[in-house]
Amino acid sequence: DAGITQSPRHKVTETGTPVTLRCHQTENHRYMYWYRQDPGHGLRLIHYSYGVKDTDKGEVSDGYSVSRSKTEDFLLTLESATSSQTSVYFCAIRDTDRGLGEAFFGQGTRLTVV
Amino acid sequence: TQLLEQSPQFLSIQEGENLTVYCNSSSVFSSLQWYRQEPGEGPVLLVTVVTGGEVKKLKRLTFQFGDARKDSSLHITAAQPGDTGLYLCAWNTGNQFYFGTGTSLTVIP
Repeated sequence: DAGITQSPRHKVTETGTPVTLRCHQTENHRYMYWYRQDPGHGLRLIHYSYGVKDTDKGEVSDGYSVSRSKTEDFLLTLESATSSQTSVYFCAIRDTDRGLGEAFFGQGTRLTVV
Repeated sequence: TQLLEQSPQFLSIQEGENLTVYCNSSSVFSSLQWYRQEPGEGPVLLVTVVTGGEVKKLKRLTFQFGDARKDSSLHITAAQPGDTGLYLCAWNTGNQFYFGTGTSLTVIP
């Protein structure tokens, strides 16, 4: 258990509204990631962070922004939610204490945009 | 274009059968990882393969890294219902993890 908590676990929102998902970790890992998972696409990286206030884009970053003001929290914001952003969102950390590095995931947030 | 292509996308087998799933790419990797994801949960690491031709065993699961380090396979012997889940291969770049498209396995009792 890498101490990763995602909130909320489920959310239904309307098109055009802003949405923020939170990822909280308790073990001081430097790297944190946001992925979305959709059928037939596996896990796709949205954004990642390599330290406080240090973030970078992933392969599907359009329509999303992130912030990391503290080591333990990584926030994902959908500025204006669209139906195409209906998905399951996973937060992950990189545990570099284990060999070549291992990704540990939270339990996911199921977001539905109606 | 997906960096890591997995096949088959879906697989449904009877308990006790053997199966193999594949992870292929045109790129050469320093290592590949395999994760399993159960319904409603996040993926969990099963193994990391590093050396071309390497074979690693985890109980009934056998993982192989291709000689050219462009592909990997996962073989399950005598599948059990507890093996049901989504199997993902992944490339750990050092900063990021790229995941394949996944193979969804259902083992029928």
